[in-house]
Amino acid sequence: QQPVQSPQAVILREGEDAVINCSSSKALYSVHWYRQKHGEAPVFLMILLKGGEQKGHDKISASFNEKKQQSSLYLTASQLSYSGTYFCGTEIEGGSEKLVFGKGTKLTVNP
Amino acid sequence: GAGVSQSPSNKVTEKGKDVELRCDPISGHTALYWYRQRLGQGLEFLIYFQGNSAPDKSGLPSDRFSAERTGESVSTLTIQRTQQEDSAVYLCASSPWGQGTQYFGPGTRLLVL
Repeated sequence: QQPVQSPQAVILREGEDAVINCSSSKALYSVHWYRQKHGEAPVFLMILLKGGEQKGHDKISASFNEKKQQSSLYLTASQLSYSGTYFCGTEIEGGSEKLVFGKGTKLTVNP
Repeated sequence: GAGVSQSPSNKVTEKGKDVELRCDPISGHTALYWYRQRLGQGLEFLIYFQGNSAPDKSGLPSDRFSAERTGESVSTLTIQRTQQEDSAVYLCASSPWGQGTQYFGPGTRLLVL
């Protein structure tokens, strides 16, 4: 039931792009993306709902393929502040508001 | 406005002792969640409250773990007879009804010696 995230880790230079994937074996109602910096609490980035549009703000956007039960997070022209661990949380269709989180993708952006 | 707060921020205890962790959600948020995060690991769901009822307790690891919530406010997570494997950061999050977005507190770092 836990979604699978890939890659587990990625290292970028400032300005480069990255894609983080989240895949579930269950039919999904929503996918949530969070970023957690070391020693801090996770911070909400965006939510994608079934039947909704691709979301995004600034240079971080995401897509949700309901048929494939997959979501991807796109980080373009990465900044040093993007460093952290990214988690996707999935809400199963017909379920409660419970989120099941993936194991995370550690992103490091170097100067 | 105030975010989710948790106390204590750090707790060191001896194996076998009981501990109580507190979470104050954002005012008006009806849903409240507890998670456990071991060092370098992901978020492990423990329990979910809607108001003061817990429709999903499936994540509680053993009967040593329990949680309660008073109305739509404070929640406490109690771990009895703590074990060393209980050492982790315990995170609380709250959410407005129907929105799903969860707002996390800073966590309580528990160390069981």
